[in-house]
Amino acid sequence: ILNVEQSPQSLHVQEGDSTNFTCSFPSSNFYALHWYRWETAKSPEALFVMTLNGDEKKKGRISATLNTKEGYSYLYIKGSQPEDSATYLCAFKAGGSEKLVFGKGTKLTVNP
Amino acid sequence: EAQVTQNPRYLITVTGKKLTVTCSQNMNHEYMSWYRQDPGLGLRQIYYSMNVEVTDKGDVPEGYKVSRKEKRNFPLILESPSPNQTSLYFCASSLWAGQFNYGYTFGSGTRLTVV
Repeated sequence: ILNVEQSPQSLHVQEGDSTNFTCSFPSSNFYALHWYRWETAKSPEALFVMTLNGDEKKKGRISATLNTKEGYSYLYIKGSQPEDSATYLCAFKAGGSEKLVFGKGTKLTVNP
Repeated sequence: EAQVTQNPRYLITVTGKKLTVTCSQNMNHEYMSWYRQDPGLGLRQIYYSMNVEVTDKGDVPEGYKVSRKEKRNFPLILESPSPNQTSLYFCASSLWAGQFNYGYTFGSGTRLTVV
């Protein structure tokens, strides 16, 4: 079973703070890396799908970078708002695999 | 509205009583999958299907069955549920096109309790 690690496990920030967290995955046989946002009592929603080394994606105040050679991706949130509170999941797909393997997530709480 | 519909949302059942959780998508997605979510373990894949009549095991398939007779439906069957199958279950679908360039659309989840 592939190992996808996310850190930190949880994070508390104040409204207006910028924050970032990490997803680590195997650096060999990379195909795609996904990010999802999962709000409490809802379903996970796709944020980004990244496939190329050096990819940077942005959606409003949220952005992500990808380093496939060293096996990590960062998710950044600029000027956090209480509505950003959620668990952020990353998921890895290896080349030739038909499976998407999820990390355990980073739970973000933004205090007003 | 494009969506994945799962039913039921909540289910309490007894050990050994067969049950089916339904999943249906209206986006003509080829790929469908079932995951279970347990505290501290993250989302773990149970089964997946790349198209009609094509299914395969995920990482935790024991105790589950699936079928894909139609493109839109992918039911999860528990023939003889046990308490260790108490969990939050998600169905998800995606365009496939041979690779995973597209994100999942998730259903709303089914919280199953087996007593």
